[in-house]
Amino acid sequence: DIVMIQSPDSLAVSLGERATINCKSSQNILYSSNNQNYLAWYQQKPGQPPNLLIYWASTRESGVPDRFSGSGSGTDFTLTISNLQAEDVAVYYCQQYFMTPVTFGGGTKVEIK
Amino acid sequence: EVQLVESGGGLVKPGGSLRLSCAASGFTFSTYTMTWVRQAPGKGLEWVSSITSTSNHIYYADSLRGRFTISRDDAKNSLYLQMNSLRAEDTAMYYCARDRIPYNWNDLPTFDFWGQGTAVTVSS
Repeated sequence: DIVMIQSPDSLAVSLGERATINCKSSQNILYSSNNQNYLAWYQQKPGQPPNLLIYWASTRESGVPDRFSGSGSGTDFTLTISNLQAEDVAVYYCQQYFMTPVTFGGGTKVEIK
Repeated sequence: EVQLVESGGGLVKPGGSLRLSCAASGFTFSTYTMTWVRQAPGKGLEWVSSITSTSNHIYYADSLRGRFTISRDDAKNSLYLQMNSLRAEDTAMYYCARDRIPYNWNDLPTFDFWGQGTAVTVSS
């Protein structure tokens, strides 16, 4: 199985500042045939189901604010939240869909400092 | 408007069975891979099982294979999860989720719509 390790487990960021979340996969999830990284990011607010933010490691889902951005390739990926807003308080998960079983990272909790 | 509504959860004794349902509306259900994802209380997300459109591919988490069975009824726009031999560690919120892409037979899914979940508690 591909293990997804997120860091940090939690972070506190001031309003308007940048939050950076890392996700590392235990093996390469870049598919050479289409040059795509099979990595997605989700946001989950308390009491709600997850919400898709990013897929293909860097493609923003429709309706997602542009302060959310994804980067990285191969085994190392980053979700950046620029200009953090109060409504961004949530737990963020990465997911690989390169091979079965689909696996998620353990989550990173983002709070306001 | 896309809607996914799960039902069938509840309290069950260890060794018991439950059948979860997910009623879909607002999209052409038959064309999408559908998935069950669970989340134990206070824990992260765990993929359970996916079934492609036309049911030509079915995938399970290895730890659940043999106890859980996913199925779909496209005529009823419904997804199901039959859970047998339930254990305390199966206690979780179970979410139904839709693949982002219709007719996706080549790639594993990402999930653009989720239901609110149905809670399963396994306890004596």
